[in-house]
Amino acid sequence: DTAVSQTPKYLVTQMGNDKSIKCEQNLGHDTMYWYKQDSKKFLKIMFSYNNKELIINETVPNRFSPKSPDKAHLNLHINSLELGDSAVYFCASSPLDRANEKLFFGSGTQLSVL
Amino acid sequence: TQLLEQSPQFLSIQEGENLTVYCNSSSVFSSLQWYRQEPGEGPVLLVTVVTGGEVKKLKRLTFQFGDARKDSSLHITAAQPGDTGLYLCAGARSSNTGKLIFGQGTTLQVKP
Repeated sequence: DTAVSQTPKYLVTQMGNDKSIKCEQNLGHDTMYWYKQDSKKFLKIMFSYNNKELIINETVPNRFSPKSPDKAHLNLHINSLELGDSAVYFCASSPLDRANEKLFFGSGTQLSVL
Repeated sequence: TQLLEQSPQFLSIQEGENLTVYCNSSSVFSSLQWYRQEPGEGPVLLVTVVTGGEVKKLKRLTFQFGDARKDSSLHITAAQPGDTGLYLCAGARSSNTGKLIFGQGTTLQVKP
């Protein structure tokens, strides 16, 4: 069983479109995250949720809207996609919202905006 | 501004060689983690170091946290092709949050 699963794996779309990425974890963790990895492999946190509540929003444009229907799911909706949104988006989870916790990452969604 | 600087960014070595990857900052971190990422996959945690001066070993990998908790190193002994991947250090500024700041990564290629 995959611990953190995200779909789709690849997403190719036109500028201006709206798209969603889904994430689910079956580990029973309280905290979930969205990270963005750019073309230089730099990984940066975008959002974190603890028990469905938004904890971190790292000055991400409001075209990005995370939604957590329950603590096992954290989806990412992106409006009016731009070329600069092209990247690999990783969902992750950890038992608690605390340092030293092990992050479990999904296998990523490669978004290409044309 | 990069809070965590990793060096080198790229490393290509022969099987059997030793190597060290560095992760440096001017800021203090409450803990530091090392992850390894393979192509098409998410990062996987290797180790967490918490105490200044701490040394942890994972088979041929040795991790050290600097005394002042501003830097860390990863040393691999007798590298193997299976060690190939992207190595990422990640630090937590506070013990009260799961927010991690990642370094820009070191891409390691070990040739047979």
